[in-house]
Amino acid sequence: GAVVSQHPSWVICKSGTSVKIECRSLDFQATTMFWYRQFPKQSLMLMATSNEGSKATYEQGVEKDKFLINHASLTLSTLTVTSAHPEDSSFYICSARAGTGGWETQYFGPGTRLLVL
Amino acid sequence: GNSVTQMEGPVTLSEEAFLTINCTYTATGYPSLFWYVQYPGEGLQLLLKATKADDKGSNKGFEATYRKETTSFHLEKGSVQVSDSAVYFCALSGPDTGRRALTFGSGTRLQVQP
Repeated sequence: GAVVSQHPSWVICKSGTSVKIECRSLDFQATTMFWYRQFPKQSLMLMATSNEGSKATYEQGVEKDKFLINHASLTLSTLTVTSAHPEDSSFYICSARAGTGGWETQYFGPGTRLLVL
Repeated sequence: GNSVTQMEGPVTLSEEAFLTINCTYTATGYPSLFWYVQYPGEGLQLLLKATKADDKGSNKGFEATYRKETTSFHLEKGSVQVSDSAVYFCALSGPDTGRRALTFGSGTRLQVQP
């Protein structure tokens, strides 16, 4: 089946630094990728929808200047957490939707755990 | 808005036991309902889905029935195996978001002991 990878799987950074997380669809082209955030023992919350070649659509309450999303190719989307603070510590998960088959064919990455000190 | 509530875990069962993981939802209109599974170190995988009332989704011995009257989509399996140990997420997608965004429950960890 379709595989989505994320890199890095773990990152620890100092407060005030920026962190970039990559999401790649390895064996298919993804016109749409989604970024989710998950706090411990809580739901995955959709942060933004990323469409190749256009600006991302952010969910209400998500700061677009804080969480920069770039979807420069059909196989890569990046999420940059700018000027990270401890409250940004979380588990970030991406998913990629294949070009056909409908919305339910979302393939998820394994997630990236971010810890900001 | 849309929301999904599922039972807290972990759920610990012996091999061959019967499994039920409860899931209820709140949504506008008629959502589509899903169960996703996440095995250790892997991404979420779609386990089964149902798109209208009274539909039954099934896969790998797991079943869930879309119950509109009780707004529920409980996951069941008659005989669990150690390999079923994972985190299970209930989710929905509603017509109000063009059925694109998924709203997830908090996840339920299942541990099956030999």
